[in-house]
Amino acid sequence: DTEVTQTPKHLVMGMTNKKSLKCEQHMGHRAMYWYKQKAKKPPELMFVYSYEKLSINESVPSRFSPECPNSSLLNLHLHALQPEDSALYLCASSQGQGRRYSNQPQHFGDGTRLSIL
Amino acid sequence: DAKTTQPPSMDCAEGRAANLPCNHSTISGNEYVYWYRQIHSQGPQYIIHGLKNNETNEMASLIITEDRKSSTLILPHATLRDTAVYYCIAAALFNSGGSNYKLTFGKGTLLTVNP
Repeated sequence: DTEVTQTPKHLVMGMTNKKSLKCEQHMGHRAMYWYKQKAKKPPELMFVYSYEKLSINESVPSRFSPECPNSSLLNLHLHALQPEDSALYLCASSQGQGRRYSNQPQHFGDGTRLSIL
Repeated sequence: DAKTTQPPSMDCAEGRAANLPCNHSTISGNEYVYWYRQIHSQGPQYIIHGLKNNETNEMASLIITEDRKSSTLILPHATLRDTAVYYCIAAALFNSGGSNYKLTFGKGTLLTVNP
């Protein structure tokens, strides 16, 4: 069991659908992350939120729209996705961002496996 | 971020120590060495991290060479449940101002523990 909870665990959607992935943590962490992991590849960073503000966007297409409503929740809104967007989407959290937190690990959820038809 | 190099795969007998090497010859002074593992169909699991000194916790030990150019993760008594992909990561400050840091995953080592 992880302390970062992601829902749903699996999602199948068409290219015209709109859906959202959710992530929740109750560890008091102030930094949260979205990663994308294609099959047999390592995770790749998409977005970083620090104190509910977007601090890193790794040139992710606009069909992925992150949202951080509060310090415990992180959403990823999906719209008009392509078949190549099928992947495992991982959420992570850490105590914070910045030099003082660079020795604090990120804790991952078990991901949402997304399939685009 | 410093690039890390790991063997693509390793085997270990159950009950024996698993020693996973990582090369990070370009690591800079402010980069920590992190180890994560990912068991099939799960998210990455944090194992251990260190800067200069050797570290030990309930899961593993981390041995970092004095020049910090390489490290070894040691699982003292491997079990079948330790079969996973193990990632060695040098975590860098995202920018010189130190406002962010990020983990850049390499390809990792697939450790297979055999009965």
